[in-house]
Amino acid sequence: EDQVTQSPEALRLQEGESSSLNCSYTVSGLRGLFWYRQDPGKGPEFLFTLYSAGEEKEKERLKATLTKKESFLHITAPKPEDSATYLCAVQAPGSQGNLIFGKGTKLSVKP
Amino acid sequence: DAGITQSPRYKITETGRQVTLMCHQTWSHSYMFWYRQDLGHGLRLIYYSAAADITDKGEVPDGYVVSRSKTENFPLTLESATRSQTSVYFCASSRGRGYEQYFGPGTRLTVT
Repeated sequence: EDQVTQSPEALRLQEGESSSLNCSYTVSGLRGLFWYRQDPGKGPEFLFTLYSAGEEKEKERLKATLTKKESFLHITAPKPEDSATYLCAVQAPGSQGNLIFGKGTKLSVKP
Repeated sequence: DAGITQSPRYKITETGRQVTLMCHQTWSHSYMFWYRQDLGHGLRLIYYSAAADITDKGEVPDGYVVSRSKTENFPLTLESATRSQTSVYFCASSRGRGYEQYFGPGTRLTVT
């Protein structure tokens, strides 16, 4: 069964303290790995898509990387406004565009 | 303004009532999706549609009905609401397989 596991479930950082979130998956023949940010009471907001091992994408303080078994979302010098839940999702081959989501990592950045 | 909208944003209904949640997108995306989000489960796919008049079941379709007569609209109907359907419902759209999905703001549904 295709699975997506995110760790840690929650992460508390001080402002400026860099760290990484992990997303491991068991899908064979990955068709895409997606990162989203979700703020309380809002819908997920698209951040990145990664398609092949070795690929990297960056946006402001966020950098996403992909290997054959996992993806990392690196947060460099985070600010309080980076506080949110970060969701990882994968698209499996044969799927009709469906995404399988992990349960997310709740990030809190304290000033 | 362009994007994906959902209505209502909040709904309280009673067990056994029929409820329809609306979703509208202005991008002419061919794919549309309905998810529910619950604590401990994350986002789970209810139904999806690859184009107008083409729909298919996701992971948790029981108790739900969808239709898609127009590309831009994808309503979700709970035929006889149950307390277990209390959740936050998100609609999403995508231009195709392999592309990112864009989510609406969600509908918080409470079944009493």
